[in-house]
Amino acid sequence: ETGVTQTPRHLVMGMTNKKSLKCEQHLGHNAMYWYKQSAKKPLELMFVYNFKEQTENNSVPSRFSPECPNSSHLFLHLHTLQPEDSALYLCASSQGVEVTGELFFGEGSRLTVL
Amino acid sequence: GQNIDQPTEMTATEGAIVQINCTYQTSGFNGLFWYQQHAGEAPTFLSYNVLDGLEEKGRFSSFLSRSKGYSYLLLKELQMKDSASYLCAVMDSNYQLIWGAGTKLIIKP
Repeated sequence: ETGVTQTPRHLVMGMTNKKSLKCEQHLGHNAMYWYKQSAKKPLELMFVYNFKEQTENNSVPSRFSPECPNSSHLFLHLHTLQPEDSALYLCASSQGVEVTGELFFGEGSRLTVL
Repeated sequence: GQNIDQPTEMTATEGAIVQINCTYQTSGFNGLFWYQQHAGEAPTFLSYNVLDGLEEKGRFSSFLSRSKGYSYLLLKELQMKDSASYLCAVMDSNYQLIWGAGTKLIIKP
C-alpha cells in the first residue's frame, strides 16, 4: 500500500469509447502526476499538477484530458484512443514539484485499446 | 539530449550478489533515484543519492559518481522476491525526472 490508489486496474476500450482513469492519494501531497509506461521504454511523463494547477503537459495528444479537482484526486479522461495508446498508466504524487523528494506511485491502470 | 542507460535484463542466482549499472547524461543534476517495480505492481522508492559515494540500506546499496555520470545498485544475499525491474532516474536542473528503461532482474534458485 503506497497511499496512492488507482481505478480501474484494467480497462479494455474500443477506439470510439470514452472512459476515465481515477487516482486518489492519501498522503497529503501537493503534486500529482500521470505517467505512461510501455514495455522496455522509460516512463513518459504526461501531466503534472501542483496545488491543483497544471504545470506540465508534455505534448500529449488531446485525446488524453486530465482533470484535478483538488490536491488529492486526479483523473485522466480518454476518448478516441488509438491502439498504440495501450499501456500501463501510472499515477504518482510527491510533496512538491521542485523538491527532491521521492515519488509515490499507484499500481497503475492497464489500458488496452482495441 | 538527456539520456539514461541501464541494462535491459540481468540474471543472478539466489544468495549471490548483483550490481545493476546506470549511466546518465543530463542537463544538471539534483540527485539520482532507484525504484523497484515488481510485475503488476507500483514502482517503489529504494534509494536517493545526491553526493558521491555509497549509501547502504540493508541488503541494498547505491553508489554515485557525479564526475563519471555513473551509479550502481548493489543487491546482496539475493532472494527470489528480488526478482523485479529496477528503474534508475535522474533529476535534472529543472527538477524534471529523466528515467531509464529499467533493468529486469531474474533470480534463479
